[in-house]
Amino acid sequence: GQNIDQPTEMTATEGAIVQINCTYQTSGFNGLFWYQQHAGEAPTFLSYNVLDGLEEKGRFSSFLSRSKGYSYLLLKELQMKDSASYLCAALEVPSWGGSTLGRLYFGRGTQLTVWP
Amino acid sequence: DTGVSQNPRHKITKRGQNVTFRCDPISEHNRLYWYRQTLGQGPEFLTYFQNEAQLEKSRLLSDRFSAERPKGSFSTLEIQRTEQGDSAMYLCASSFGLGLNEQFFGPGTRLTVL
Repeated sequence: GQNIDQPTEMTATEGAIVQINCTYQTSGFNGLFWYQQHAGEAPTFLSYNVLDGLEEKGRFSSFLSRSKGYSYLLLKELQMKDSASYLCAALEVPSWGGSTLGRLYFGRGTQLTVWP
Repeated sequence: DTGVSQNPRHKITKRGQNVTFRCDPISEHNRLYWYRQTLGQGPEFLTYFQNEAQLEKSRLLSDRFSAERPKGSFSTLEIQRTEQGDSAMYLCASSFGLGLNEQFFGPGTRLTVL
């Protein structure tokens, strides 16, 4: 089966740094996505890791350890607009398919609230 | 607007009625995905297409659910004999199918079954 686990809620203040952790157990794993979702809106892509290590993109960084089944999303210089749900999603590739096929298994999301 | 579009944005129906939702993906994307999301949960995979071929269906997709993508462009998701438990946000996403294969999501259709 698949299991994606992330904290339900986190709070932080403007200008701070926050790390959102995600652990996963899934067969046919081929990558870890992070999405941001504001209330009532569609998820928007933030980052993708397929190899171990850190991927940096502006104020957002994402880390993956495949051996530990662990990822985190790091948000720096927090702004009020960063208040949203952050979704961790593992890409599962079917045994019959190529490496780019497959479905995303999402966690429940971490609701981040940024206070002034 | 060149993003993924979904219609209708909201649908209220009575239990037992049939409903159909439409998704128009980004034009050059050959993969299309349907997800369902309930409050406080992440999106749950329902099914996906590569061009017009439906490649995989989740066990969540009961016989009352059917999805089509007849010409490899837009897709429809039909729910027959709706139940209150079908109330959710139905999200469509599309991807190019090569490289990163990032999925771009539409705004969703919110279904309320009374």
